[in-house]
Amino acid sequence: NAGVTQTPKFQVLKTGQSMTLQCAQDMNHNSMYWYRQDPGMGLRLIYYSASEGTTDKGEVPNGYNVSRLNKREFSLRLESAAPSQTSVYFCASSEPTGASGGGTQYFGPGTRLTVL
Amino acid sequence: AQSVAQPEDQVNVAEGNPLTVKCTYSVSGNPYLFWYVQYPNRGLQFLLKYITGDNLVKGSYGFEAEFNKSQTSFHLKKPSALVSDSALYFCAVRKAGSYQLTFGKGTKLSVIP
Repeated sequence: NAGVTQTPKFQVLKTGQSMTLQCAQDMNHNSMYWYRQDPGMGLRLIYYSASEGTTDKGEVPNGYNVSRLNKREFSLRLESAAPSQTSVYFCASSEPTGASGGGTQYFGPGTRLTVL
Repeated sequence: AQSVAQPEDQVNVAEGNPLTVKCTYSVSGNPYLFWYVQYPNRGLQFLLKYITGDNLVKGSYGFEAEFNKSQTSFHLKKPSALVSDSALYFCAVRKAGSYQLTFGKGTKLSVIP
């Protein structure tokens, strides 16, 4: 199993450009998440999808949109990139939150995005 | 609201000595607590979790953590540190029934040979 995969690994954008970050998981998890990681700030939740067909805002959703394409795939879109969106983006998927596994989240390798 | 505090930005320990990385949390209701490790330029790897039951939780790579409800703490420990344990460690909390996981800001662990 590949677990959680993300593409691309690196991306450089100019202010105002758009792009989509792709995420896929092969663990048959219902729930998926997008985080951003900035130095000294830990990880902050951007959006999550509790199950296929649903999405909800997290702590820092402004400037982003998401699409839960199917059970495996969850994409993050920046419509008009800004320098403040320079960050490392992580996708995660989780076991059911109510199960004995406690909803453990498993993370992809990340996408390093620089907005000039 | 839920929150996590990792009071130390950096912890230095000599190889072979015991290590502790501190974490305190705030959440309403029963907490689900997690520790993750991040090596440079990598994603987060799950180490261990507390859901319910024994307060001492054992995880990967010889790490363990102790849940203390009265002190709202979940400190990560290892009896004998390895140089390869040098990494960034994150504590996280989730309220039972919630999807949102809240992370601390991370603690950089350096194990000195």
